[in-house]
Amino acid sequence: GENVEQHPSTLSVQEGDSAVIKCTYSDSASNYFPWYKQELGKRPQLIIDIRSNVGEKKDQRIAVTLNKTAKHFSLHITETQPEDSAVYFCAATSGGYSTLTFGKGTMLLVSP
Amino acid sequence: DAMVIQNPRYQVTQFGKPVTLSCSQTLNHNVMYWYQQKSSQAPKLLFHYYDKDFNNEADTPDNFQSRRPNTSFCFLDIRSPGLGDAAMYLCATSRDGTDGYTFGSGTRLTVV
Repeated sequence: GENVEQHPSTLSVQEGDSAVIKCTYSDSASNYFPWYKQELGKRPQLIIDIRSNVGEKKDQRIAVTLNKTAKHFSLHITETQPEDSAVYFCAATSGGYSTLTFGKGTMLLVSP
Repeated sequence: DAMVIQNPRYQVTQFGKPVTLSCSQTLNHNVMYWYQQKSSQAPKLLFHYYDKDFNNEADTPDNFQSRRPNTSFCFLDIRSPGLGDAAMYLCATSRDGTDGYTFGSGTRLTVV
């Protein structure tokens, strides 16, 4: 089955800096890669996603890049703000009609 | 305007006492998922339904069962909860399994 590795497990940045979280996946057939943000005690919320026919996607301060050859994808957050502090999960499809396999998560801490 | 609703938000049950968690959705999505999330870990898929077709993950304990009586509702039954089953249980839906999931707020289960 699919295996998703996510790094780093913790990331501390100063407000205004950029943050990058990286994930690798094992199944070359995977074709959908969402990113979720989970604040403490709350539900995961989809913040951006990318499909395998696209190399990059942006939404305001958030961008995701995908390298299919290397089987890795990354989340980029620019001009970080304290409210960006949360746990971020990457995910990839795994077989059938797509059940998501999640990475282990990255705790992002943005200091004012 | 909550679209995936889980009840209750918090559930305390006794060791070995059966418990049922519920999930309802107003999105008319075909796929419903149950995830278990323990502290500081990624969500782990227990099972999912595509319409009425039930799909169990290979490593989901037999102690966990699920029912989906109609499109809108899905239940998670834990027949004999153990201390190790204490976790957040997340319900999620997807239109057809090829796009992002919408998560409910979760039920935090405590076993005493």
